[in-house]
Amino acid sequence: QVQLVESGGGVVQPGRSLRLSCAASGFSFSGYGMHWVRQAPGKGLEWVAIIWYDGSKKYYADSVKGRITISRDNSKNTLYLQMNSLRAEDTAVYYCALPRRGDGGGYFQHWGQGTLVTVSS
Amino acid sequence: SYVLTQPPSVSVAPGQPARITCGGNNIGSNSVHWYQQKPGQAPVVVVYDDSDRPSGIPERFSASNSGNTATLTISRVEAGDEADYYCQVWDSSSHRGVFGGGTKLTVL
Repeated sequence: QVQLVESGGGVVQPGRSLRLSCAASGFSFSGYGMHWVRQAPGKGLEWVAIIWYDGSKKYYADSVKGRITISRDNSKNTLYLQMNSLRAEDTAVYYCALPRRGDGGGYFQHWGQGTLVTVSS
Repeated sequence: SYVLTQPPSVSVAPGQPARITCGGNNIGSNSVHWYQQKPGQAPVVVVYDDSDRPSGIPERFSASNSGNTATLTISRVEAGDEADYYCQVWDSSSHRGVFGGGTKLTVL
């Protein structure tokens, strides 16, 4: 069955960097665009970024553009999120999500358990 | 950017229907998806493509989408339906996902 396992979260100081990973299994990873979605404590869901199945295209929410980079390694079935210049408002649980459609659109059929990033001095 | 608007909260007695709306400009021209999220858990899709239910989701969950409003309806609400509900669309023009702000369903 589909499994998405995020890792890499933790406490980080403002302005520092962090890289999240999402290990995927149970489906053809290289055939799907993949997403990151985040949720600040007590707040709603916020879409963060998408990467094409082959890594050729990437799109970001305005709130993270220029500071966050999504990438993938299809040989390792792993999705990444490189977060730089972190701010307090980046504090959230970060989920990787598998869409129903291979092109990345539509709805998010499977979600990981999430990894918590806390930006605090 | 595209905005989806949901009421912050809806309260309903057990056995009664609950309706959660999601407003957006001409949302009827988009496919709308609905998620249920319980505390400490990842979201789970309960309706996709306006009105389709994934396997395992009770028939009590239904949805519609027309004009500027999409609606999730839970008929005969149960205590276990208490959760946050989010609507979502995929903005294919900008290649971005959009979520509504979420609605907390309270079962009285």
